[in-house]
Amino acid sequence: KAGVTQTPRYLIKTRGQQVTLSCSPISGHRSVSWYQQTPGQGLQFLFEYFSETQRNKGNFPGRFSGRQFSNSRSEMNVSTLELGDSALYLCASSVGTGPNEKLFFGSGTQLSVL
Amino acid sequence: EDKVVQSPLSLVVHEGDTVTLNCSYEVTNFRSLLWYKQEKKAPTFLFMLTSSGIEKKSGRLSSILDKKELFSILNITATQTGDSAIYLCAGGVYNTDKLIFGTGTRLQVFP
Repeated sequence: KAGVTQTPRYLIKTRGQQVTLSCSPISGHRSVSWYQQTPGQGLQFLFEYFSETQRNKGNFPGRFSGRQFSNSRSEMNVSTLELGDSALYLCASSVGTGPNEKLFFGSGTQLSVL
Repeated sequence: EDKVVQSPLSLVVHEGDTVTLNCSYEVTNFRSLLWYKQEKKAPTFLFMLTSSGIEKKSGRLSSILDKKELFSILNITATQTGDSAIYLCAGGVYNTDKLIFGTGTRLQVFP
């Protein structure tokens, strides 16, 4: 079974631009979550999607948005990039319906904002 | 505010040593405590703990949860260089896949 796939692996953007990251979950998984990882803050929850609906959202500004498609694939978008958005963006998937679901992570997209 | 605190932040040991990593949590609607190992990019799942006092083991790794003291430990015995990684602790919340992560413990094992 293929794992969680994130594309692209690396991105370099400049301030003010926007970026779209993609995540394909493990086959059969319906829940996709996004996390931002920085050296100072660790992993911080961005949002979670289940069956195309946002189920939960973290404390990030509105510049961060996401969506999920009918095949469970998800995208996240960051508009008007700032230097502080430089981070590793990790996507995780789970079946999404049980009380003790484990999250499986992708290898992430490393975003650098110049 | 929900928080997960890990200690120590960093640990340097020699092969064969035993290490204990600590995790304390304050998570609203707490469901479970999870441990992940992050070597390069993708955190890989180690343990999920939901009940107090029941030790989970996987080879040289073991973990236990104390829901009264809001605390968990991860033990690694007979450490190997391949154990070098960042170990992440996270609190799970009911009815969601949201995890509250600590900042991690960086373990370095030297031969």
